[in-house]
Amino acid sequence: DTAVSQTPKYLVTQMGNDKSIKCEQNLGHDTMYWYKQDSKKFLKIMFSYNNKELIINETVPNRFSPKSPDKAHLNLHINSLELGDSAVYFCASSQAPGTGNNEQFFGPGTRLTVL
Amino acid sequence: DAKTTQPTSMDCAEGRAANLPCNHSTISGNEYVYWYRQIHSQGPQYIIHGLKNNETNEMASLIITEDRKSSTLILPHATLRDTAVYYCIAGGGTSYGKLTFGQGTILTVHP
Repeated sequence: DTAVSQTPKYLVTQMGNDKSIKCEQNLGHDTMYWYKQDSKKFLKIMFSYNNKELIINETVPNRFSPKSPDKAHLNLHINSLELGDSAVYFCASSQAPGTGNNEQFFGPGTRLTVL
Repeated sequence: DAKTTQPTSMDCAEGRAANLPCNHSTISGNEYVYWYRQIHSQGPQYIIHGLKNNETNEMASLIITEDRKSSTLILPHATLRDTAVYYCIAGGGTSYGKLTFGQGTILTVHP
């Protein structure tokens, strides 16, 4: 069984469109994350939710809006897509942070290409 | 999170031990040392973490110096499948799970 899954795996779209990426984890974790990996391969955290509550927001443009309907899901909605949004987006989950055991399990990634 | 410094790249012969160093001289008392790796185009994979003591699991060993300013990840018998980017991260603890990934070390295992 896949621990952290993301859909879609590939997403190609035009500038200005609105798109969503879905993430689900079946590990029973309380915390979920979104990371962005750009063309230079830098991996940066965007958001983190703990029990459906936003706990990390790394100065991401407000065109990006995470939504957590329950603690097993954290979806990422992006409005008015721009060329610079092209990247690989990774979802991850972990047990409650701050406990010293911050082993994060990552999904396979969603490669977003904005044309 | 404390800043970490790693060599850009390293090579290792298959079957030999791979020793990946990491400097984290500004690590604070409640920050852990985490190691992750990313095999081409896949999601990062957790390897090991530690606070003060050396740690070992089925994948690797982590050696942390007594002053905690540096650490070494050891893959005891490297295989071709261990070719990946290895990230050393100093963080966690009370930072709400935030992990700051640096550039990492590109480890290439040769036949």
